[in-house]
Amino acid sequence: GQQVMQIPQYQHVQEGEDFTTYCNSSTTLSNIQWYKQRPGGHPVFLIQLVKSGEVKKQKRLTFQFGEAKKNSSLHITATQTTDVGTYFCVGGSYIPTFGRGTSLIVHP
Amino acid sequence: ETGVTQTPRHLVMGMTNKKSLKCEQHLGHNAMYWYKQSAKKPLELMFVYSLEERVENNSVPSRFSPECPNSSHLFLHLHTLQPEDSALYLCASSQGQGANTGELFFGEGSRLTVL
Repeated sequence: GQQVMQIPQYQHVQEGEDFTTYCNSSTTLSNIQWYKQRPGGHPVFLIQLVKSGEVKKQKRLTFQFGEAKKNSSLHITATQTTDVGTYFCVGGSYIPTFGRGTSLIVHP
Repeated sequence: ETGVTQTPRHLVMGMTNKKSLKCEQHLGHNAMYWYKQSAKKPLELMFVYSLEERVENNSVPSRFSPECPNSSHLFLHLHTLQPEDSALYLCASSQGQGANTGELFFGEGSRLTVL
């Protein structure tokens, strides 16, 4: 299946700091999706990006899709304790393959 | 409530037992998936069914046997499992499949412990 690399694996931040996770693919992606999984929960869809260079915002979350459609990022501004969880990117291909995820830990 | 229901939520079984996990989706979707999530490992895709036909078997051991009797139901039959098979098994569904999969809707998962 599609190989999607995601970094960092873990990120500790103080509440109020920003956070970014990156996703990279060796091949061009038709689209990319982002999911969030709270501790003890299941993955929940956040967004899908399709177009080259696309940028979408959801309140404090900003999602970007690279010009070459091989990379993507999720940026959270001014993190809150409710942002805690693991964020996954999913490379769009015939079979939805998850990256390893970035676990965000927010210290109050 | 995601529209995808998994039962049981927790299961403890011995290595010689036979058990089944069940997934039901109430969303009218055409594709269903089984994922395995182990501690400190990424979500691993196990099986994909589209319109009740299996389209992907991601090199899963034969002790895991999927069944999709219709587009709303998906089972994972378990037989002679190993302790390393202990994990959270997540079912998901999507409207489309292939290049137009769309959003995946996940169930809450079945936590399996193999003794």
